[in-house]
Amino acid sequence: SYELTQPPSVSVSPGQTARITCSGDALPKQYAYWYQQKPGQAPVLVIYKDSERPSGIPERFSGSSSGTTVTLTISGVQAEDEADYYCQSADSSGTYGVFGGGTKLTVL
Amino acid sequence: EVQLVESGGGLVQPGRSLRLSCAASGFTFDDYAMHWVRQAPGKGLEWVSGISWNSGSIGYADSVKGRFTISRDNAKNSLYLQMNSLRAEDTALYYCAKGTGRLAAREGDDYWGQGTLVTVSS
Repeated sequence: SYELTQPPSVSVSPGQTARITCSGDALPKQYAYWYQQKPGQAPVLVIYKDSERPSGIPERFSGSSSGTTVTLTISGVQAEDEADYYCQSADSSGTYGVFGGGTKLTVL
Repeated sequence: EVQLVESGGGLVQPGRSLRLSCAASGFTFDDYAMHWVRQAPGKGLEWVSGISWNSGSIGYADSVKGRFTISRDNAKNSLYLQMNSLRAEDTALYYCAKGTGRLAAREGDDYWGQGTLVTVSS
């Protein structure tokens, strides 16, 4: 079955830029979506269709795509950004969805 | 305000069945795909199943295919997940999520419920 691969953890200092990657063979064919999840809370959509930002999401969150890899970039990281981040997409035919394993962002 | 309220979770023995429900409000339910996503304790998110706006397209994760059935009742603004032959590895918090478009699986989710906990244990 199809898989998306994320790094388990990323650490940055406040004010720095965090980049979280997600790799999958079908990403050139299917959009990617990014979610932020804080402990005890439901996930929140932070990026949709690779690079679009929902209303209410800070401008420091951005997304990009290149071939089989998509990247979530958080510029000027703040302490409140510490959370787990998940990418999501679908298999090449769009039959089923899949999540990456998640990346724990630590703000040092 | 979009609201998604899951119900039906609980403690169930292996091999038994359970039916989850999700009551939706605050948006035009029959304009959007809906999904079930689960999260085992201390683990990551797992996509379980999705259904398009008109039930014309349905998808399942390999881990639940043949055991779980997703359905929706647009007249009642409700989403369901019938879970049969439950296993210990199905233990998780089950989220109901609203798709960003009409198509299942491929368009992400912009609103999530708070989840209902399913525990499979003897």
